[in-house]
Amino acid sequence: AQTVTQSQPEMSVQEAETVTLSCTYDTSESNYYLFWYKQPPSRQMILVIRQEAYKQQNATENRFSVNFQKAAKSFSLKISDSQLGDTAMYFCAFNNNNDMRFGAGTRLTVKP
Amino acid sequence: EAGVTQSPTHLIKTRGQQATLRCSPISGHTSVYWYQQALGLGLQFLLWYDEGEERNRGNFPPRFSGRQFPNYSSELNVNALELEDSALYLCASSRQVATNEKLFFGSGTQLSVL
Repeated sequence: AQTVTQSQPEMSVQEAETVTLSCTYDTSESNYYLFWYKQPPSRQMILVIRQEAYKQQNATENRFSVNFQKAAKSFSLKISDSQLGDTAMYFCAFNNNNDMRFGAGTRLTVKP
Repeated sequence: EAGVTQSPTHLIKTRGQQATLRCSPISGHTSVYWYQQALGLGLQFLLWYDEGEERNRGNFPPRFSGRQFPNYSSELNVNALELEDSALYLCASSRQVATNEKLFFGSGTQLSVL
């Protein structure tokens, strides 16, 4: 079974600075998708970014980008120019054939 | 377009009782997923339903069960409630034809077992 590990339970960053959240996963599959979801205090899970394993190019979405290292099974999220609204729980997720598994999450606090 | 809706928002039960949680997927989505989010444990996969059938099940005891109706809505039932069942239960939906697609989540049902 696939497992997803987020080794940073909590992180903080100053507004306008950059922060990187770590994620590693374990799988024997070669084709899969990776995701970062954000869960603000409203509890609504929001998709931040998605990466297809067969694509070597790292995905980017405005201030959010990933560093996907397939051989190392690593999938980190970089948030640039952090904003107060980025304060939330961030979950890394792995999906292979509709089997979506999540990490334990990282609580990010952006400080003014 | 309406998103994934869950009811009730909050549910308070006592030990030994049964809880029923409901989920309506986005229109056109045939797959429904249930996750348990206990404090500090991330999202634990419970169940996946598609086209009315249970497709996959997480590592939970049999007292966690559910079903999917012909309109693709779903129920999660938890029998013989225990204190550790207190958690946020999230439902998500996706189009089954597109595997590995992102999931769309509801806002959850907060279950408290006293």
